[in-house]
Amino acid sequence: DAGVTQSPTHLIKTRGQQVTLRCSPKSGHDTVSWYQQALGQGPQFIFQYYEEEERQRGNFPDRFSGHQFPNYSSELNVNALLLGDSALYLCASSPEYTGAYEQYFGPGTRLTVT
Amino acid sequence: AQSVTQLGSHVSVSEGALVLLRCNYSSSVPPYLFWYVQYPNQGLQLLLKYTTGATLVKGINGFEAEFKKSETSFHLTKPSAHMSDAAEYFCAVRRGNTNAGKSTFGDGTTLTVKP
Repeated sequence: DAGVTQSPTHLIKTRGQQVTLRCSPKSGHDTVSWYQQALGQGPQFIFQYYEEEERQRGNFPDRFSGHQFPNYSSELNVNALLLGDSALYLCASSPEYTGAYEQYFGPGTRLTVT
Repeated sequence: AQSVTQLGSHVSVSEGALVLLRCNYSSSVPPYLFWYVQYPNQGLQLLLKYTTGATLVKGINGFEAEFKKSETSFHLTKPSAHMSDAAEYFCAVRRGNTNAGKSTFGDGTTLTVKP
C-alpha cells in the first residue's frame, strides 16, 4: 500500500515565477492538507481540501491556491514567488470518517526560490 | 485557537539514558495530541497520538507520552535512548472529535544521542 506521495522532490525557481506541487493521498484517504515548513521551524498549515473544496485555510496570502481532484489527489500552486517561499512543502492525508484522526505525511517537496 | 510550546529546541542524551521531550499545549476545546519524528530530508512519521481514553499512550520505537490535562502537557519519553533516535521531534495539537481542520505544530526539538 503506497503512502502519501509528492512530486517533484526538489524544485528551484526564480522570484516572480509560479510553481505547482502535486500530492497523491494514501489509499482510502479523502482529505488532503498542505503545510509549509521553513528551515528550523515546525510545519505551518496552508489549507485543507475535502470533497474538492477548500475547507479551512491558514494565514497564507492568496498567492497560495490549491485544488483537489475527483480521485482525491491535490495540487498546491504558488504565484509570484518570493525568496521567503523557500521551504519544504508537506502534504498530509487522512480518512474522513474512520475516526482515526491522525494525518499521514508525504516526504515533501523542497522548493528553493532564487 | 490552539498553540504548542516545545521546551528546549535541543536535547542531548547519552545512549541508554532516559529521553524526555517536553510539550505544552493550549486549546479552547478538548484536543487531540500527536508526536511526530522527522529524519533529515524526510517527511513526518507519527510516533503516537492521544485522542480519548487512557492518558498514557504508547507508540512506536519504545516511545510513550502522557496526557496531563491539569498541566496542559503531553511530554514524550523513552526509557533508553538509541543512536537511531537522533532526529527532530514535533508535538502537534488538533481540535478533537473531528477530522476537519489543521494540526498546529511546535517548533520542534532536535534530539542528539551521544555514544
